[in-house]
Amino acid sequence: TQLLEQSPQFLSIQEGENLTVYCNSSSVFSSLQWYRQEPGEGPVLLVTVVTGGEVKKLKRLTFQFGDARKDSSLHITAAQPGDTGLYLCAGGESGYALNFGKGTSLLVTP
Amino acid sequence: GAGVSQSPSNKVTEKGKDVELRCDPISGHTALYWYRQRLGQGLEFLIYFQGNSAPDKSGLPSDRFSAERTGESVSTLTIQRTQQEDSAVYLCASSPGARIMTGELFFGEGSRLTVL
Repeated sequence: TQLLEQSPQFLSIQEGENLTVYCNSSSVFSSLQWYRQEPGEGPVLLVTVVTGGEVKKLKRLTFQFGDARKDSSLHITAAQPGDTGLYLCAGGESGYALNFGKGTSLLVTP
Repeated sequence: GAGVSQSPSNKVTEKGKDVELRCDPISGHTALYWYRQRLGQGLEFLIYFQGNSAPDKSGLPSDRFSAERTGESVSTLTIQRTQQEDSAVYLCASSPGARIMTGELFFGEGSRLTVL
């Protein structure tokens, strides 16, 4: 089993602030995904990164995959209350089940 | 519906009883996953079905847990002799195929199990 460590576990910030959350592993992944989960719902995919060093942007969210494909970061610029949720990273190998980290719980207050 | 459907959405049971949770994946999706999420925690992998291949059961926590899938359709997760520690949200997800690089997981809303 490939373990993914996410940090910080909890983050509470005010609207307008920037933040970065991290996903680290000792294993190499062929791909890594980020999901966001809101209370009472299942996780929803935000992005998939495949290539070492890859950077993807989704509006105010910037995702980076480490050069060695063992870690990833998610940066949010000018956070908004609608960004509140549990951010989960998940990695795996083709043909095998996806392993999830424990997540970063983000609270953005107005 | 177009999404992954799970039932029941909520289940309260007494310790020692058996429960059965159902998942209807998106039509045409060959991969199906079950995960468990305890309160405030991340997702714990339970079992993975891919087409007609033998399922990956490596995440099942004990022999009280079992799951079946009929072809590439409905799956049921059965928990026998439930314990309080089994209380959690059980999430089902489906994916178009085994290639994780191209297949995102589509999750249902989960079945919340409470064991008294």
